[in-house]
Amino acid sequence: EVELVETGGGLIQPGGSLRLSCVVSGFIVSSNYMTWVRQAPGKGLQWVSFMYSGGATYYADSVKGRFTISRDNSKNTLYLQMNSLRVEDTAVYYCVRRATTAWHFDYWGQGTLVTVAS
Amino acid sequence: QSALTQPASVSGSPGQSITISCTGTSSDVGGYEFVSWYQQHPGKAPKLMIYDVTNRPSGVSNRFSGSKSGNTASLTISRLQAEDEADYYCTSYTSSSTLVVFGGGTKLTVL
Repeated sequence: EVELVETGGGLIQPGGSLRLSCVVSGFIVSSNYMTWVRQAPGKGLQWVSFMYSGGATYYADSVKGRFTISRDNSKNTLYLQMNSLRVEDTAVYYCVRRATTAWHFDYWGQGTLVTVAS
Repeated sequence: QSALTQPASVSGSPGQSITISCTGTSSDVGGYEFVSWYQQHPGKAPKLMIYDVTNRPSGVSNRFSGSKSGNTASLTISRLQAEDEADYYCTSYTSSSTLVVFGGGTKLTVL
């Protein structure tokens, strides 16, 4: 059975840092295209970052230079390091598998809430 | 403002059919067969309902169907049930540097 479990969210002041983790079971993270998608309270979905199986990474313009996606193959875990956090980064962050060579998102975690406020 | 345009809300009675539209451009919806649809109940993660315009993942009811004409994709739900009440989002690959664009979401109310 496939399961993605995100942790690491919480309340953080503007300018602070957080690292989100996504522990995956049921498939191998390093063999798949992984994504972080976020949803601000009461708002729609926005992709944040992709990591391809080969290691290439992509970021939305709104987080480029501040967020870093990475993975630990030995732990089958995906990470999102978030630095210089802004109020507008407040959202539920979902760890998501993107179907390989396609552009749909087939497995989602339950999400972790990041609140940036003073 | 979302890149793909969806109606903010639609409604229907049990047993009826409804259609949710998703309008983009020739750089996304109109140019590729990579439109997908997601259902999201309050407090829950989105769930994939349709991919590659018309395909249904295993386990998704055949009451859900997708189509596309020009720059507009559509999700049709037939024989509406109370459990279909949720938010629905469309997405598409885009040739721009954005890579993936989402719609703003449509709230479906089952009357």
